[in-house]
Amino acid sequence: ETGVTQSPTHLIKTRGQQVTLRCSSQSGHNTVSWYQQALGQGPQFIFQYYREEENGRGNFPPRFSGLQFPNYSSELNVNALELDDSALYLCASSLGTGNTIYFGEGSWLTVV
Amino acid sequence: AQSVTQLDSQVPVFEEAPVELRCNYSSSVSVYLFWYVQYPNQGLQLLLKYLSGSTLVKGINGFEAEFNKSQTSFHLRKPSVHISDTAEYFCAVLNSGGYQKVTFGTGTKLQVIP
Repeated sequence: ETGVTQSPTHLIKTRGQQVTLRCSSQSGHNTVSWYQQALGQGPQFIFQYYREEENGRGNFPPRFSGLQFPNYSSELNVNALELDDSALYLCASSLGTGNTIYFGEGSWLTVV
Repeated sequence: AQSVTQLDSQVPVFEEAPVELRCNYSSSVSVYLFWYVQYPNQGLQLLLKYLSGSTLVKGINGFEAEFNKSQTSFHLRKPSVHISDTAEYFCAVLNSGGYQKVTFGTGTKLQVIP
C-alpha cells in the first residue's frame, strides 16, 4: 500500500468525450505527477503539480490538463478523447523534489 | 535530457535460478535510480531505490541492484527466483534536481518457468 488512491479504477468513454480522473496523494505529500502507460510500454510523464501549480510538463497536448487542490489531491482532465488515449493513467506523489515517488494503482481508460 | 535502456524485453528463467535484469541510463546530471515492479493489471510497486551512499542497494522480495556510475548501469538481481516473481520490471531515473519527472525504461517481462 502506497497511500496513493485513484478513481475510478476502470472507465469507458467515447471518442470526443471528456474525462476526469482523480488522485488522492499520500498524507503530507505536496507534489503530484501524472503518467500515461499505453499497453506494452513504460509510463510516460504527463505533468507535475507542486503546491497547486503546474511546474513541469511532458510531451502531451494542451487537451491534457490538471488541477491540484489545497489538500494536495489532484485531477487529470482529458478533452476531445482520441482512441490513442486508451491507457493506464498513473498518479504519483512525493514530498517535494528529489524524493521517492509512490504510485497509485491507476485508472484504466478505454476510448471507443 | 535523460534516458533509460532496458535491453531485454523478455527474460525467461527457471524457478530457483538466479536472474539479472539489465538497465543502463543516460543523463547529464546526477540522478536517482529506481526499480519498479508491475504485476498484471496493477500499478507500479517500488522494489528498490538508489539515492546516494552504498552502491549496492537491497529491496523487497529478495531483490538487489548495484549502481555503477562509470558504466551508467543499475542492474537488478535476485539469487533465486520464485513463480510469484513473474511480472514486468521497470527501471527508472529521476534528476536529483528540478521537477519530479521520472523517465522509465520500456520494461522487462520476467517469466519464471516452473
